[in-house]
Amino acid sequence: SQTIHQWPATLVQPVGSPLSLECTVEGTSNPNLYWYRQAAGRGLQLLFYSVGIGQISSEVPQNLSASRPQDRQFILSSKKLLLSDSGFYLCAWSVMGINEKLFFGSGTQLSVL
Amino acid sequence: KQEVTQIPAALSVPEGENLVLNCSFTDSAIYNLQWFRQDPGKGLTSLLLIQSSQREQTSGRLNASLDKSSGRSTLYIAASQPGDSATYLCAVANQAGTALIFGKGTTLSVSS
Repeated sequence: SQTIHQWPATLVQPVGSPLSLECTVEGTSNPNLYWYRQAAGRGLQLLFYSVGIGQISSEVPQNLSASRPQDRQFILSSKKLLLSDSGFYLCAWSVMGINEKLFFGSGTQLSVL
Repeated sequence: KQEVTQIPAALSVPEGENLVLNCSFTDSAIYNLQWFRQDPGKGLTSLLLIQSSQREQTSGRLNASLDKSSGRSTLYIAASQPGDSATYLCAVANQAGTALIFGKGTTLSVSS
């Protein structure tokens, strides 16, 4: 069966520090991968999605970047965090052509202080 | 640009009541629509997925309907229980293989 792992669960970082959040998927090949952010009082905002290794699409211009070094690995990064980067970050995956249900990781609560 | 709206933002009901959560979207040319459940501080769990060619999907006490032409979907929860308390999110995909666009959710509280 397919599983998705996302870590860490919580993270407190000072302004200006770097960020690296990792997400891995098991049990499937060539998934579509997504990074979403959920800020307090707001809906889920799509940050990045990837349909294959090295293929990244950005939905919102921002202080963040994403990379997909392997088929089932998706990394969210920042060189210098801003206060506005605080939020709940969710990784998700789907497989095109198989009803395309979206499956989410457990999320990372990031607080930038 | 597709926009998804969910009404109400919050809902409180006594245990046992049947209830309806509403979702509307501005562009009716969707590929599919999904309903998710999110518990506080957790990720999202997919509840039901309706393809654009379908009118409804059912899973246990949950029934989701889709009226594409009017840009609406409803999630019906029968005989609500305290364990149903959570935030319910609606999301649409405009095309196959594209990312979902989410509403802000309805936070449901079921009291015993």
